[in-house]
Amino acid sequence: AQKVTQAQTEISVVEKEDVTLDCVYETRDTTYYLFWYKQPPSGELVFLIRRNSFDEQNEISGRYSWNFQKSTSSFNFTITASQVVDSAVYFCALSDRTGNQFYFGTGTSLTVIP
Amino acid sequence: NAGVMQNPRHLVRRRGQEARLRCSPMKGHSHVYWYRQLPEEGLKFMVYLQKENIIDESGMPKERFSAEFPKEGPSILRIQQVVRGDSAAYFCASSPTGEEDQPQHFGDGTRLSIL
Repeated sequence: AQKVTQAQTEISVVEKEDVTLDCVYETRDTTYYLFWYKQPPSGELVFLIRRNSFDEQNEISGRYSWNFQKSTSSFNFTITASQVVDSAVYFCALSDRTGNQFYFGTGTSLTVIP
Repeated sequence: NAGVMQNPRHLVRRRGQEARLRCSPMKGHSHVYWYRQLPEEGLKFMVYLQKENIIDESGMPKERFSAEFPKEGPSILRIQQVVRGDSAAYFCASSPTGEEDQPQHFGDGTRLSIL
């Protein structure tokens, strides 16, 4: 069965600190895709990144970076030099070939304190 | 706005009434998904539709809930005889092909409140 676990429910950091959001997934499929979405206080869901199961290269986009490790079934998200605008709920999601849906974790609520 | 459009943004209903939530997918997208987000929880899949077809409704309650995506017009999620437990944010997402590698693009959601 597919499952996404985000064990950190809430995280608070002071501005300019680095923060890592954890995501652990389960799937029996060998081909799958992992996603991160951001949900700011306004409520919309913003797509951040997609990673496929065959590409374990880490990715960096500005202050954001993602660490995909198949050996530990993890797809962690790091924000460097956090800013107040990063305050949001972040969701990790999984899709594979066995279903038509995305499987979402329960989200990590990040608060960046000025 | 070329994104996924949901309306209304907020909807208030009394117990027993009907709620109709609308979703227009992104231009060029013919695959629509509905998710429900309960307070402080992640999104839970409800139903997946293509034009005029329900492909997967495994996440939708068997009673009171229905969804459609007609040939013309938006996708509609309909909840009949609403109860307090239906209070949630309902998100619609669309993708161009329905393939698992495609990001699903989400609308801003409809916040349903049941009095």
